[in-house]
Amino acid sequence: QVNLQESGPGIVKPSQPLSVTCSVTGYSITTSYYYWNWIRKFSGNKLEWMGYIRYDSSIYYNPSLKSRISITRDTSKNQFFLQLNTVTTEDTAVYYCARHYDGTFDYWGQGVMVTVSS
Amino acid sequence: DIQMTQSPASLSASLGETVTIECRASEDIYNGLAWYQQKPGKSPQLLIYIANSLHTGVPSRFSGSGSGTQYSLKINSLQSEDVASYFCQQYYNYPWTFGGGTKLELK
Repeated sequence: QVNLQESGPGIVKPSQPLSVTCSVTGYSITTSYYYWNWIRKFSGNKLEWMGYIRYDSSIYYNPSLKSRISITRDTSKNQFFLQLNTVTTEDTAVYYCARHYDGTFDYWGQGVMVTVSS
Repeated sequence: DIQMTQSPASLSASLGETVTIECRASEDIYNGLAWYQQKPGKSPQLLIYIANSLHTGVPSRFSGSGSGTQYSLKINSLQSEDVASYFCQQYYNYPWTFGGGTKLELK
């Protein structure tokens, strides 16, 4: 059974980096042809796809975040990571990691709330 | 970016009723569309992919249809467990984008 679990800081100060970890069990993040994604949900229900790291380690970011985002992975721990730099209050959201195959997100983590506040 | 406009934003319906949610894309997405259900406090769950294919384990009262820029999700014989928010998502082109969501409540 595929399981994804996010962990994060809860609160981040403005202008600081936001870092969230996704720990995956039940499936290797290097298995072809799956992509491992970050998606966030703002209050008011808006969902934004942020980017992914593929099974082969290639990366694609949403252009709206391209200058601030970094997605990396540790295959030995079967984890992947989100870093979002220079955050503002507008980055306050629930951050989800999700597995993608053939266009759709078929497994999601439970989400972690990150609040940007001084 | 492809804009996904979902309607209605909220919907109230009775048990046993048939419900339809619409999603309009700002350009042709060639059936590259998925629907998700999100219950309160839970993560989204995939319902439909390629506009009209039912994901494994999803009840048959859910169905998707549409083409081009217009798509819809239909729920037949509404059950209490269907109370949730529903989102469409296009994956025809980057960046992948979501509709604004429809909150479905029981009347």
